[in-house]
Amino acid sequence: DTAVSQTPKYLVTQMGNDKSIKCEQNLGHDTMYWYKQDSKKFLKIMFSYNNKELIINETVPNRFSPKSPDKAHLNLHINSLELGDSAVYFCASSQKGGRGQVDTGELFFGEGSRLTVL
Amino acid sequence: RKEVEQDPGPFNVPEGATVAFNCTYSNSASQSFFWYRQDCRKEPKLLMSVYSSGNEDGRFTAQLNRASQYISLLIRDSKLSDSATYLCVVNRGSGSSASKIIFGSGTRLSIRP
Repeated sequence: DTAVSQTPKYLVTQMGNDKSIKCEQNLGHDTMYWYKQDSKKFLKIMFSYNNKELIINETVPNRFSPKSPDKAHLNLHINSLELGDSAVYFCASSQKGGRGQVDTGELFFGEGSRLTVL
Repeated sequence: RKEVEQDPGPFNVPEGATVAFNCTYSNSASQSFFWYRQDCRKEPKLLMSVYSSGNEDGRFTAQLNRASQYISLLIRDSKLSDSATYLCVVNRGSGSSASKIIFGSGTRLSIRP
């Protein structure tokens, strides 16, 4: 029944490893996002996908690669993990507004995936 | 300068008090505005949208001043359960599908008995 679900919830790994976080939404939304929340609790957008197409790619290192096999899924793969990658990663989705041009801005978040790089 | 700025707090107020949060945004093309609430170690959740005419939802009142690029949230008769971080959120959608939703860094509120 969970609207936006992401796995795993916790991930502890060594520097240099590669890891993935998966996200699925069953709300029928067109747009999905990855946000990073660091230790100072600042939520920063990383990527936005609209109907499987990359829309927003903030200045995120190439080590981060999102993949959207369909509009209900947006996975995040991270190569060569670094200490600074430790954070909580939130997946979210939103539906376009009535005129079909601009997202209403209401985001539905997953519970977050807490990544700790040692 | 951050695109969305909030006082980080923490605000520590007694139960029953009225508390107000402020937020400013820098992009005058911003189109829609929201307050989200985030409990400790949880995901953010929409509290309320903010409309130009101001809007109220129970004990919560949100105001928007486009001329000053300023958003506020007022909580009346605060409850212990209101303790959380309140995030000011701005959507500076460009009119295409490439909308961009920007979060403020949040204001922490702690209600004491």
